[in-house]
Amino acid sequence: GENVEQHPSTLSVQEGDSAVIKCTYSDSASNYFPWYKQELGKRPQLIIDIRSNVGEKKDQRIAVTLNKTAKHFSLHITETQPEDSAVYFCAASKPGRRALTFGSGTRLQVQP
Amino acid sequence: DAGITQSPRYKITETGRQVTLMCHQTWSHSYMFWYRQDLGHGLRLIYYSAAADITDKGEVPDGYVVSRSKTENFPLTLESATRSQTSVYFCASSESSGSYNEQFFGPGTRLTVL
Repeated sequence: GENVEQHPSTLSVQEGDSAVIKCTYSDSASNYFPWYKQELGKRPQLIIDIRSNVGEKKDQRIAVTLNKTAKHFSLHITETQPEDSAVYFCAASKPGRRALTFGSGTRLQVQP
Repeated sequence: DAGITQSPRYKITETGRQVTLMCHQTWSHSYMFWYRQDLGHGLRLIYYSAAADITDKGEVPDGYVVSRSKTENFPLTLESATRSQTSVYFCASSESSGSYNEQFFGPGTRLTVL
């Protein structure tokens, strides 16, 4: 089955700096790659996603890049703010199978 | 997000007892999912359902049973709870239209098995 690896497991940055979280996936058939943000004690919420026919997608301060050849995708957060502090999960799914395979998560801490 | 609810939100039970976690969604989404979340493992898929009366195993199905007699409900039963099933359980749902769809998560159930 699909395997998604996520790095780093923890990331601490200063407010205003950029943060990058990277994921690799094993199944070349995967074509949908969402990123979820989970605040302490809350449910995961989608922040951005990318399809396999697109190499990059941006939404204000967050962006995701996808390299299908290398089978990796990354989340980029610019101008980080304290409210960006949370656990971020990457995930992947294949056509016809809507269930997601998640990475193990990255705890991002933005220091004011 | 109020469209998908889980109950109970917290549950403490003992080893060997049967426990049922409820999930209800009001969006008429075709797909529903159960994940468990443990430190260091992220979210792992237990079971999912593409429609009423259609269910399939995920990554970690052992010890769990699901049913889906109605589109809006997707209960998860631990037939004989074990301590290793102590976890936070999330239910999620998504639409069936289109090739890719966001999954919406419920608030979670924190289960402790003593």
